[in-house]
Amino acid sequence: GQNIDQPTEMTATEGAIVQINCTYQTSGFNGLFWYQQHAGEAPTFLSYNVLDGLEEKGRFSSFLSRSKGYSYLLLKELQMKDSASYLCAVRDGATNKLIFGTGTLLAVQP
Amino acid sequence: EAGVAQSPRYKIIEKRQSVAFWCNPISGHATLYWYQQILGQGPKLLIQFQNNGVVDDSQLPKDRFSAERLKGVDSTLKIQPAKLEDSAVYLCASSLDGFGTLVSGYTFGSGTRLTVV
Repeated sequence: GQNIDQPTEMTATEGAIVQINCTYQTSGFNGLFWYQQHAGEAPTFLSYNVLDGLEEKGRFSSFLSRSKGYSYLLLKELQMKDSASYLCAVRDGATNKLIFGTGTLLAVQP
Repeated sequence: EAGVAQSPRYKIIEKRQSVAFWCNPISGHATLYWYQQILGQGPKLLIQFQNNGVVDDSQLPKDRFSAERLKGVDSTLKIQPAKLEDSAVYLCASSLDGFGTLVSGYTFGSGTRLTVV
């Protein structure tokens, strides 16, 4: 079966660091994506991991452990504009479908 | 480059009516996807096209939903007749690759917010 789990909501303080976790179970694996989605807007691509390890892009980093079926998105130096939903998505290796989790709604507080 | 264009932006219809959504992907993107995103949930893939052929439509409710991609460019998604549970945002996305080679990310359009009353 296919299952992707993320926390529903998180709250963090401006300037702080927050880690959003994602665990997955799919019949095959061909990469994991993180997307950011502001309310009423389209998801925008943040990062892609296909090999184990950490990928860093400015204030955003994403980590993958394929053996554990686990990823996290790390946001540093949080800004108010980072308040959004963060979607973890796995590309199923058998079907190449992109399967999304329900998303984590992050609220950044002053 | 221009993004993925979708129209209309919003649509309100009564149940049992029909509705159509339009998508124009990024130029040169061979793969086009239609997703349904119900409030508070992640997007769910309805149908995937590679050029003008259907790759996957296993989660498309074919008794009421239909989609086509003529000439391998623009696509339309139709619902007939609509039900209350079809209220959602319908997202169109496109990608350069469809089969897991180069990562270019999937680019999403702004979506069509459908409300069925």
